[in-house]
Amino acid sequence: AQSVTQPDIHITVSEGASLELRCNYSYGATPYLFWYVQSPGQGLQLLLKYFSGDTLVQGIKGFEAEFKRSQSSFNLRKPSVHWSDAAEYFCAVGAAGGATNKLIFGTGTLLAVQP
Amino acid sequence: EPEVTQTPSHQVTQMGQEVILRCVPISNHLYFYWYRQILGQKVEFLVSFYNNEISEKSEIFDDQFSVERPDGSNFTLKIRSTKLEDSAMYFCASSEPPGPGEQYFGPGTRLTVT
Repeated sequence: AQSVTQPDIHITVSEGASLELRCNYSYGATPYLFWYVQSPGQGLQLLLKYFSGDTLVQGIKGFEAEFKRSQSSFNLRKPSVHWSDAAEYFCAVGAAGGATNKLIFGTGTLLAVQP
Repeated sequence: EPEVTQTPSHQVTQMGQEVILRCVPISNHLYFYWYRQILGQKVEFLVSFYNNEISEKSEIFDDQFSVERPDGSNFTLKIRSTKLEDSAMYFCASSEPPGPGEQYFGPGTRLTVT
């Protein structure tokens, strides 16, 4: 079955500390992978995406993610967290090749940032 | 920067009533989507729409749901007879290319069914 797992429901980090949010996927086809962020009252904003090529992708706001096919993972990282990064983060997977349009989301990780 | 907008931001309705959620996708986008998120659960795909017809729908999208593009700018989701379990945040998204390439999401409409 196609699924995305975000094992951490809630993470708290100190401002300036590094961050890694975990994402594992199960997908039969070649995946497209995404990270979205949702701030309170806002829509889902795309942080970064992986389609093919270099497995380390850079996104907006200083985020990066690494695709590891052998581990079926696409973890999100940031070297130094800012208070404004407090939000909910969603990993999502879609099908390469246009077989389906839908995105499959994980349950999200709520990030709190301590001063 | 162009964005997807949704109205209303919050709607409260009684069980059995019809509701219409409205979305204005990004103007040059051709593919439109609805997703929903029940509180504490995953964001789930409902339906995709292209060229004035449904291109894909999930098992959630039963006969109580319908979508329409009534004019050149709006994209609507209608729930014919709401149930308590329809209470959720509903997100509209649009994309220029087909597939999951890059879907731009609106801020959502929180639907509360009492």
